[in-house]
This record gives sequence, C-alpha cells and structure tokens, in this order.
Amino acid sequence: GNSVTQMEGPVTLSEEAFLTINCTYTATGYPSLFWYVQYPGEGLQLLLKATKADDKGSNKGFEATYRKETTSFHLEKGSVQVSDSAVYFCALPTQGGSEKLVFGKGTKLTVNP
Amino acid sequence: GAVVSQHPSWVICKSGTSVKIECRSLDFQATTMFWYRQFPKQSLMLMATSNEGSKATYEQGVEKDKFLINHASLTLSTLTVTSAHPEDSSFYICSATGGGKNIQYFGAGTRLSVL
Repeated sequence: GNSVTQMEGPVTLSEEAFLTINCTYTATGYPSLFWYVQYPGEGLQLLLKATKADDKGSNKGFEATYRKETTSFHLEKGSVQVSDSAVYFCALPTQGGSEKLVFGKGTKLTVNP
Repeated sequence: GAVVSQHPSWVICKSGTSVKIECRSLDFQATTMFWYRQFPKQSLMLMATSNEGSKATYEQGVEKDKFLINHASLTLSTLTVTSAHPEDSSFYICSATGGGKNIQYFGAGTRLSVL
C-alpha cells in the first residue's frame, strides 16, 4: 500500500518566520494528497489538499505543491503566527480508490511571539 | 463545510465499565465512518471502518469484541469500549466521508481515561 514519510520535528519558530514541513510519499498512481492540522486537545481539520500532479493546495496562508518528480508535498507558510501552533499531518489514501488514509507521524509546530 | 460532532469530549470511567462514544455527521450523510485511536505524541491509528447498515471492518490487531462499532444510520456511528481497562485510556477520534467527496471530516475527539 501507499506510505508517507513526514519530518517529525518538533519545530519551534518565532512569529513571522518561514515554515517548511517536509512530506514525501510512496504510492501507486497519483493519489490525492492532504495536510491535516490538529490544534491542542482537538480532532483533525483538513488544512489543504491537492488532487493531481502540479496542483497547489492553499488555505490560511499555507501552501503545498503536489510534485510527482520528487514524490513530495511539502507544507509551507511564509509568515507563521502564534495561532499556527499545532500538529500537522501529511496523509494520502492507503491505496488507489480507497477512502482509508495513511497518516504521517505528525510534526508539532510551536510558534513563539 | 461538513461538520462532524463527537460526544462526549472527555469521559472518565472505572475499570470494568463500558463507555459509548457517538459520532454524528450534522450536515451530510456519512456513507463511511472511521474510528481512530491516537496515543500521546503519536499519529492516528485506524481501528475500524464502518458503513451504514453493515458490520464494521476492523484493522489487524483490533479486538472487535472489545471495541463495538455500530453504524445504524447515515448520520450516526457509535464506538463502545467494553469492559474498559486503564490501557484503553487514549484519545479516540472519528471521521466521516460522504456527499460524493472523498475527504474525511473529523470529529473533535474523545479523551477516555479509565481509572
């Protein structure tokens, strides 16, 4: 089945710093790719997604580009805020056509004022 | 956007008792619901997949008699942790897909503490 490898962190940044969280995947075909965010004590929220190669998903200032050449879907934000402190998960379907997702191990981001 | 409600958000119970967790899709019909378990500082572990009106499909290593899942309607799935023990203490999260979108929408999670 498909798999995902995610930078584990933790990552600590100052407010307004640039953020990159690396995510690479192994998959058959070209599955949709997702980033989810989990704020402290809460469930996961879909942050952004991309459904095909070269697509760029974006939301709340975060971006990720589906790169099939490098099988990557790195998450970036140009200027982080304290409110971005959370755990970020990269995910993709376990196999083609499946609704099940496989998640990366999560990257905890802490943004200090 | 699609909203999934999970209840309760926190439950404390005595060892040997059973606990039921509800997961509801509020504004869409959830053809499939998923139940996850999350240990501290770790990723989500899929426990089971449930489709409305049929038996849940459990992942390898998950005890189906321990974690009873019912998906009686298109908007409600329940997870019952039977005869809970301290090692069952964890954060349980449900998610749902439906409405023709292959996106999982997650509940806020339930923190179970077994004394």
